Amino acid sequence: EDQVTQSPEALRLQEGESSSLNCSYTVSGLRGLFWYRQDPGKGPEFLFTLYSAGEEKEKERLKATLTKKESFLHITAPKPEDSATYLCAVYNFNKFYFGSGTKLNVKP
Amino acid sequence: DVKVTQSSRYLVKRTGEKVFLECVQDMDHENMFWYRQDPGLGLRLIYFSYDVKMKEKGDIPEGYSVSREKKERFSLILESASTNQTSMYLCASSFASRGAETQYFGPGTRLLVL
Repeated sequence: EDQVTQSPEALRLQEGESSSLNCSYTVSGLRGLFWYRQDPGKGPEFLFTLYSAGEEKEKERLKATLTKKESFLHITAPKPEDSATYLCAVYNFNKFYFGSGTKLNVKP
Repeated sequence: DVKVTQSSRYLVKRTGEKVFLECVQDMDHENMFWYRQDPGLGLRLIYFSYDVKMKEKGDIPEGYSVSREKKERFSLILESASTNQTSMYLCASSFASRGAETQYFGPGTRLLVL
């Protein structure tokens, strides 16, 4: 079954404590993997697109990587304003598959 | 910057009412999408459109219809609202070329059906 699984469901970090969020997928024929940030009560905000295994993208404290089976969103020295839900989505030939998200809480 | 706007941030409707949710994008995107988002279930695709007057059913189209009369505007219609349609509704748009185009989302409409 084609699906996208994100782990952990929730993550609490202290400010400055680096960690990684995981997005594993069983979707065949990957054409693109997307990371979004979603704040409470708002729509998802686009962060990164990765197209092939080995690709990496960075933005401020965030770095996304992609292998053939999973993607990681690495957060380096997070700040409280990084608190949000991070969503992963995979696109194959004609459909987007979304994960349920990881809710990140960064304490000062 | 891509901008996707939705007509309402919050709506409260009664069971049986006809509900219209409107979405407008300003990037000349061919594709437009309607999702609903519920805790524990993630985003689920209701309908999408790849061109004016064209529509395709998503994963959960029952109880919904859509209209796309202009390229920039995509409407979601709840023909007879029910309490199980209480949810966060998200509109998105994207270019059609190459297939794996990024979807850009609107701010969402939180609908409560009483």
